Amino acid sequence: KQEVTQIPAALSVPEGENLVLNCSFTDSAIYNLQWFRQDPGKGLTSLLLIQSSQREQTSGRLNASLDKSSGRSTLYIAASQPGDSATYLCAVRTDSGYALNFGKGTSLLVTP
Amino acid sequence: ETGVTQTPRHLVMGMTNKKSLKCEQHLGHNAMYWYKQSAKKPLELMFVYSLEERVENNSVPSRFSPECPNSSHLFLHLHTLQPEDSALYLCASSPAGGGSSYNEQFFGPGTRLTVL
Repeated sequence: KQEVTQIPAALSVPEGENLVLNCSFTDSAIYNLQWFRQDPGKGLTSLLLIQSSQREQTSGRLNASLDKSSGRSTLYIAASQPGDSATYLCAVRTDSGYALNFGKGTSLLVTP
Repeated sequence: ETGVTQTPRHLVMGMTNKKSLKCEQHLGHNAMYWYKQSAKKPLELMFVYSLEERVENNSVPSRFSPECPNSSHLFLHLHTLQPEDSALYLCASSPAGGGSSYNEQFFGPGTRLTVL
């Protein structure tokens, strides 16, 4: 069974800092990996999707990398802003089935 | 309406009530999903429908009953729930079901369910 772990569980940084969120997974046979953002009490917003054949994806200040062989992905946020405060979730889709296997998330607080 | 919508956004029900959650996607997708998000736990997949057929059922208690009348609508019928079923229920859709790696899932805002 695919296990997804996100470190750290919570992070507080001052505005302007660059930061890295980590995601690891136990089964490297994946179709793709997706990073989401969730604001309190709200649904999930898809940020980036990396296919298993890709090494990274970029969208604005966000860059996600994927190292399938080591079972790791990182989400890099450049020049963080208070509006980036949210929970960031990593989810992996494996070869077997339709499900996305989620980590518990990293709760990010960016202070002015 | 755009994207994935869910109604109601909040629901409080007693253990003997029967209620239904509704999800509608306006993206032309062929697969729809129900997820449960409990406090301090990762999101858990409950049901998957692909082309209106249920393709995955992850050992969900029978007090949860899904229905997918067409590719745009998904329901979750609830009856005789327990307090531990209180959670955020999220609906998602994707362009295709399994077998495709280009399968980004798009989520609705969720229904916050409280069972008294």
